[in-house]
Amino acid sequence: QVQLQESGPGLVKPSETLSLTCAVSGYSISSGYYWGWIRQPPGKGLEWIGSIYHSGSTYYNPSLKSRVTISVDTSKNQFSLKLSSVTAADTAVYYCARLGGSDFDYWGQGTLVTVSS
Amino acid sequence: NFMLTQPHSVSESPGKTVTISCTRSSGSIASNYVQWYQQRPGSSPTTVIYEDNQRPSGVPDRFSGSIDSSSNSASLTISGLKTEDEADYYCQSYDSSNQVFGGGTKLTVL
Repeated sequence: QVQLQESGPGLVKPSETLSLTCAVSGYSISSGYYWGWIRQPPGKGLEWIGSIYHSGSTYYNPSLKSRVTISVDTSKNQFSLKLSSVTAADTAVYYCARLGGSDFDYWGQGTLVTVSS
Repeated sequence: NFMLTQPHSVSESPGKTVTISCTRSSGSIASNYVQWYQQRPGSSPTTVIYEDNQRPSGVPDRFSGSIDSSSNSASLTISGLKTEDEADYYCQSYDSSNQVFGGGTKLTVL
């Protein structure tokens, strides 16, 4: 069974960089598929942040591209998100997920990141 | 980039049928597959329809998906509504490099 688990600080100060990691178990990232980050502000809808292939090829949401970096560490079977210059508008539950073809078929439980001083 | 527009909310009674629409703003709805996710409060989204009209194993056949090129939209239909179907539903599609989610529809079963 494929499982994903997000980890990282739950509180980030404005203007700093948000950093999260997604640990994958039950499937080797090196075997294929894209892996992505999606966020959901409290009480709002889902927003795709970006996706990465095991080779390191990335795609980012154009509205966030200037602030986002997604990387992969196949040796640890995990991938990471960095979002720079955060503001209160970046407060959200952040999910990692596997893009299994057309749909995001496996999701982490999500982690709430609050941007506040 | 394109947008996917959904109604903010819909409501229907148990046992009835409800349809949720998802309209693509630019580009053909038929050019890229549409997926539908169900999200209950406090939980991660789960797929109920993928590739326009395919159901993952474990999803009841009360859930069905379709696309309509004339209105450039996709639809999720849930028949025989149950109180457990009450949730938020999101459509999702993509183009060459971007994934896009609709704004979500809150389904109330009352």
